[in-house]
Amino acid sequence: NAGVTQTPKFQVLKTGQSMTLQCAQDMNHNSMYWYRQDPGMGLRLIYYSASEGTTDKGEVPNGYNVSRLNKREFSLRLESAAPSQTSVYFCASSLENIQYFGAGTRLSVL
Amino acid sequence: AQSVTQPDIHITVSEGASLELRCNYSYGATPYLFWYVQSPGQGLQLLLKYFSGDTLVQGIKGFEAEFKRSQSSFNLRKPSVHWSDAAEYFCAVGAQSFQKLVFGTGTRLLVSP
Repeated sequence: NAGVTQTPKFQVLKTGQSMTLQCAQDMNHNSMYWYRQDPGMGLRLIYYSASEGTTDKGEVPNGYNVSRLNKREFSLRLESAAPSQTSVYFCASSLENIQYFGAGTRLSVL
Repeated sequence: AQSVTQPDIHITVSEGASLELRCNYSYGATPYLFWYVQSPGQGLQLLLKYFSGDTLVQGIKGFEAEFKRSQSSFNLRKPSVHWSDAAEYFCAVGAQSFQKLVFGTGTRLLVSP
């Protein structure tokens, strides 16, 4: 099992560009999450999806959109990237209150 | 609202010495508590969790943590640190009725020879 797979691993964008971060899990989990990690701030929840077809805002949703494409896939979209969105992004899925994380996407917005 | 405080940003421990990482949480009911470890450039790996029952929980890699309700704490311990334990450690609290977690800001562990 691959667990939670995130693509790409690294990305550099210019301000104003758009991109989609992809996340897929093969553990048949209902819930999926997107976090951002910034130095000294831990992980902050951007959006989550409790089940296929539902999405909800987390702590820091501004500037992001998400799509729960099916049970396996949960994508995060930046429509117009800003330097403040430079961060490491983690996707996770959960079963019985335990979250399993992907390896992360390191994004730089210039 | 839930919150987690990890008061130590960095800790340096000699290899072979004991370790205690502090975690205090704020939550109105009995929380779900977790410790995760993150090695450089990697995702987060679950070390251990507390849901209910015995307040001393054992995890992977020789780690343990003790839930103390009276102190709102869930400190992580290891009797003898190995160089491979150098990483960042995150405490997290989850509500029982939801699957969302709130993370602390992390403690970076450095292991000296």
